[in-house]
Amino acid sequence: AQSVTQLDSQVPVFEEAPVELRCNYSSSVSVYLFWYVQYPNQGLQLLLKYLSGSTLVKGINGFEAEFNKSQTSFHLRKPSVHISDTAEYFCAVNVYNTDKLIFGTGTRLQVFP
Amino acid sequence: GAGVSQSPSNKVTEKGKDVELRCDPISGHTALYWYRQSLGQGLEFLIYFQGNSAPDKSGLPSDRFSAERTGGSVSTLTIQRTQQEDSAVYLCASSFEGVGQPQHFGDGTRLSIL
Repeated sequence: AQSVTQLDSQVPVFEEAPVELRCNYSSSVSVYLFWYVQYPNQGLQLLLKYLSGSTLVKGINGFEAEFNKSQTSFHLRKPSVHISDTAEYFCAVNVYNTDKLIFGTGTRLQVFP
Repeated sequence: GAGVSQSPSNKVTEKGKDVELRCDPISGHTALYWYRQSLGQGLEFLIYFQGNSAPDKSGLPSDRFSAERTGGSVSTLTIQRTQQEDSAVYLCASSFEGVGQPQHFGDGTRLSIL
């Protein structure tokens, strides 16, 4: 069965510092990978996606992620965070030839001034 | 353009009552999904619609849960005889057809069972 692991439930960081949110997945077949962000009392907003091609994917709000097949990882990074980046971040996998998303448990990014 | 619209945004009801949650997807999106977000369970897939048919209902937790979609557009998720463990945020998403298409989410319905 496919699964997604987000090891860090919370990541505190100061404004303008770099951040990495970790995501590992488990699948024996090809996958498509996504990062979503959820602000309080809102739905999920797509940050970026990896389908194929270049393993470094750039998304909105200055975020990027790198697909690493050998390590089955898809970590999210931002070189300098803002207060407004405070939110919950979800990594998700869409296994090839299926329709549903399987989500990780989420990482709460808290940016302090 | 309009995003995915869900109603109501909040619903409080007594245990044992039936509830209906509505989702209006983005125009042109033929795929529609329901997920449930709850403490301790994270985000769980419930059901997927392709047009008006539901090829994947594997996430529905019990036969008290059902969903339908009419006209390839609006979908309704119905929970009968609600239980306290049904309390959660129910999220709807829509997308163009095809695996790998990004799903666009509504703001959810927060359901509280007293």
